[in-house]
Amino acid sequence: DAGVTQSPTHLIKTRGQQVTLRCSPKSGHDTVSWYQQALGQGPQFIFQYYEEEERQRGNFPDRFSGHQFPNYSSELNVNALLLGDSALYLCASSFSGSDIQYFGAGTRLSVL
Amino acid sequence: AQSVTQLDSQVPVFEEAPVELRCNYSSSVSVYLFWYVQYPNQGLQLLLKYLSGSTLVKGINGFEAEFNKSQTSFHLRKPSVHISDTAEYFCAVIDTGTASKLTFGTGTRLQVTL
Repeated sequence: DAGVTQSPTHLIKTRGQQVTLRCSPKSGHDTVSWYQQALGQGPQFIFQYYEEEERQRGNFPDRFSGHQFPNYSSELNVNALLLGDSALYLCASSFSGSDIQYFGAGTRLSVL
Repeated sequence: AQSVTQLDSQVPVFEEAPVELRCNYSSSVSVYLFWYVQYPNQGLQLLLKYLSGSTLVKGINGFEAEFNKSQTSFHLRKPSVHISDTAEYFCAVIDTGTASKLTFGTGTRLQVTL
């Protein structure tokens, strides 16, 4: 049973570019949450998707957007990249109504 | 608004010694509590969780934690640590029954040496 998978594992971009990160949830899970973990910090909630809609959003600008597909996989898009967007981006999946989230290994984004 | 405080940013300990990692939280509503572990260059792995019932919960790798509602704490303990326990540990909370966002502390780096 595959867990939460994220791709790519590493990514290097330059300021102003756009990036798309991908996440496949754990089998049987229908809810995907995204978190940003800056170096030396705890993860910060970006948003959560359920039934292809954004259900809740953290304190992140509109440059951060997402999408959930009918198969429950999800994408995180970041436009107009800033140096401060360099971080580990974590995807977590859960079953709707469950408070237990399982995390993927993350995508490390470096913005130069 | 919720918040989680992990007072110790780093905890050095010798192998086979006991360890306690402290976590305090603040919330105006009931919460569930979690400890996650992050090994170098990896994602988060769920160590243990408190949802309801016994306030002493046991997790993987010999870790346990005790929920203390009056002190709003959820400290993580292990009676005898191993070198392989060296990692970053995060305490997190979620509003009961909302299945929504996790709020994390800033993490505690556990460094186990011989």
